[in-house]
Amino acid sequence: DVKVTQSSRYLVKRTGEKVFLECVQDMDHENMFWYRQDPGLGLRLIYFSYDVKMKEKGDIPEGYSVSREKKERFSLILESASTNQTSMYLCASSLGGRTLEAFFGQGTRLTVV
Amino acid sequence: AQKVTQAQTEISVVEKEDVTLDCVYETRDTTYYLFWYKQPPSGELVFLIRRNSFDEQNEISGRYSWNFQKSTSSFNFTITASQVVDSAVYFCALSEAYSGTYKYIFGTGTRLKVLA
Repeated sequence: DVKVTQSSRYLVKRTGEKVFLECVQDMDHENMFWYRQDPGLGLRLIYFSYDVKMKEKGDIPEGYSVSREKKERFSLILESASTNQTSMYLCASSLGGRTLEAFFGQGTRLTVV
Repeated sequence: AQKVTQAQTEISVVEKEDVTLDCVYETRDTTYYLFWYKQPPSGELVFLIRRNSFDEQNEISGRYSWNFQKSTSSFNFTITASQVVDSAVYFCALSEAYSGTYKYIFGTGTRLKVLA
């Protein structure tokens, strides 16, 4: 079974803090994604990566950055957390190409106070 | 532009009723893929089905069935004899084969509540 693991289920951080959300997949997938889920807005893509050290902006990259130093790990970084970044963050991975389904982690619910 | 619309925000049914979740998509690509995911209260999205644009055959898997109609750009999902365990948020998603990006475009989701 494909396993996508996010480091935390719940996080509470203060405004202005630097926040790291970690995601690891164990199926040697080329593609990895970070989505943000908000009520009424569905899933919105923040960043994705199609190879090690390769990344592309999604629909809402402002305020975020990412790192992919190893194939299995994709990190989302909030350089200076703000209250409007309070949300559910979902990591996903998929095999090369965009035709196959993505597999998701359990999500990290981040609260910025 | 690519877009997925799930007009039903929330649906409530009584157990054993049939329920259909609607999904309408927009794309300019002739080759594309459609997906349904289930998100139970635990939070993890679970893959249910993938359909490519060249295969309009309906699919049935147990109590689940999917109706893909290119003429109306719809990919609807029906649960027959619903159960409480079907309560979840369901997402429809689109992926285009030849667009310049790798992203999956998701709808806003439909929350299904099945009452005992």
